[in-house]
Amino acid sequence: AQSVSQHNHHVILSEAASLELGCNYSYGGTVNLFWYVQYPGQHLQLLLKYFSGDPLVKGIKGFEAEFIKSKFSFNLRKPSVQWSDTAEYFCAVLPGGATNKLIFGTGTLLAVQP
Amino acid sequence: NAGVTQTPKFQVLKTGQSMTLQCAQDMNHNSMYWYRQDPGMGLRLIYYSASEGTTDKGEVPNGYNVSRLNKREFSLRLESAAPSQTSVYFCASSFGSQETQYFGPGTRLLVL
Repeated sequence: AQSVSQHNHHVILSEAASLELGCNYSYGGTVNLFWYVQYPGQHLQLLLKYFSGDPLVKGIKGFEAEFIKSKFSFNLRKPSVQWSDTAEYFCAVLPGGATNKLIFGTGTLLAVQP
Repeated sequence: NAGVTQTPKFQVLKTGQSMTLQCAQDMNHNSMYWYRQDPGMGLRLIYYSASEGTTDKGEVPNGYNVSRLNKREFSLRLESAAPSQTSVYFCASSFGSQETQYFGPGTRLLVL
């Protein structure tokens, strides 16, 4: 079965530290890839997405992610986190074809200490 | 342009009661979805509607029914609520099957 793995369940960082959140998926075909963010008490918002082209994609608030096809990975990065980045981050994969079935990882809870 | 809206925001039910969660989108999207979010499990797809007039089961459809009332509205019904259905329910919509999904604010449901 197709699945998405986020290896870090909880991450605690100090402000200005660099961030990398791992995401791996199991699907051999074409995929569309997403990172969503959920701030405390809010709904999911799209952070960035990859459909095709340059495997390094930039999103909002200084986030970026790199698609490495050979590693089935789509890791999220930010050079310097802020307290306001405290949130839960979800990686999601949409397998190619006619399916509407977006598959989510279990999420990574990021806490940034001021 | 409100995006995706959901009602109610919060609901408490007793075991065996029924209720309908409402979702509407004003983005002229073709596809709509219902997810549940549980701690440590991410979001899981309950049902989706690829286009007006069609509905399909997702990963966890048992205990739920859906209705795609028109292009804008997609409702989720719990006929006989169970404590295992305590969760946060999110509705989402997208223009097409391979497009970005946009989420509503969620409905927090507690079943006692």
